[in-house]
Amino acid sequence: DAGVTQSPTHLIKTRGQQVTLRCSPKSGHDTVSWYQQALGQGPQFIFQYYEEEERQRGNFPDRFSGHQFPNYSSELNVNALLLGDSALYLCASSRRAEKLFFGSGTQLSVL
Amino acid sequence: GESVGLHLPTLSVQEGDNSIINCAYSNSASDYFIWYKQESGKGPQFIIDIRSNMDKRQGQRVTVLLNKTVKHLSLQIAATQPGDSAVYFCAETYTGNQFYFGTGTSLTVIP
Repeated sequence: DAGVTQSPTHLIKTRGQQVTLRCSPKSGHDTVSWYQQALGQGPQFIFQYYEEEERQRGNFPDRFSGHQFPNYSSELNVNALLLGDSALYLCASSRRAEKLFFGSGTQLSVL
Repeated sequence: GESVGLHLPTLSVQEGDNSIINCAYSNSASDYFIWYKQESGKGPQFIIDIRSNMDKRQGQRVTVLLNKTVKHLSLQIAATQPGDSAVYFCAETYTGNQFYFGTGTSLTVIP
């Protein structure tokens, strides 16, 4: 049984560019959440998707957007990248409000 | 805003000893808590969870204690092993959707 898978594992972009990160949830999970983890910090909630809709959003600007597909997979899009967007982006899946299972993350570097 | 804090940023223990990692939370409405272990270069790994209607929950070599009166959570690891070396995060939620993470405690096990 595959866990949460994320792609790519690493990504290097320049300021102003746009990026798309992808996530496939654990089998049987219908909810996907995205978190940003800066170096030395705990993960911070970006948003959560359920039934292809954004159910809750954290304190992130509109440059951060997402999508959930009918097969429950999800994408995180970040527009107009800033240096401060450099971080580990984590996808977590769950069944409704049950425990979160995380992927290994995408390490994004903005130069 | 929410805050989840840890009393000690680093903890060193001898192999075979018991470890205790503490966490304070600020929102008395939080009703679900999870402990995660994060190794370098990996995503957070679920360890154990507890709901607010419980005071204690045990897993394999781990025990979580919840004191709602003082809003305190602890993770006890029995017979700590070198493989337990990692950063440990507590996470809380009152919505069931957005989890708030602390900054983490780095556990080092000395052989």
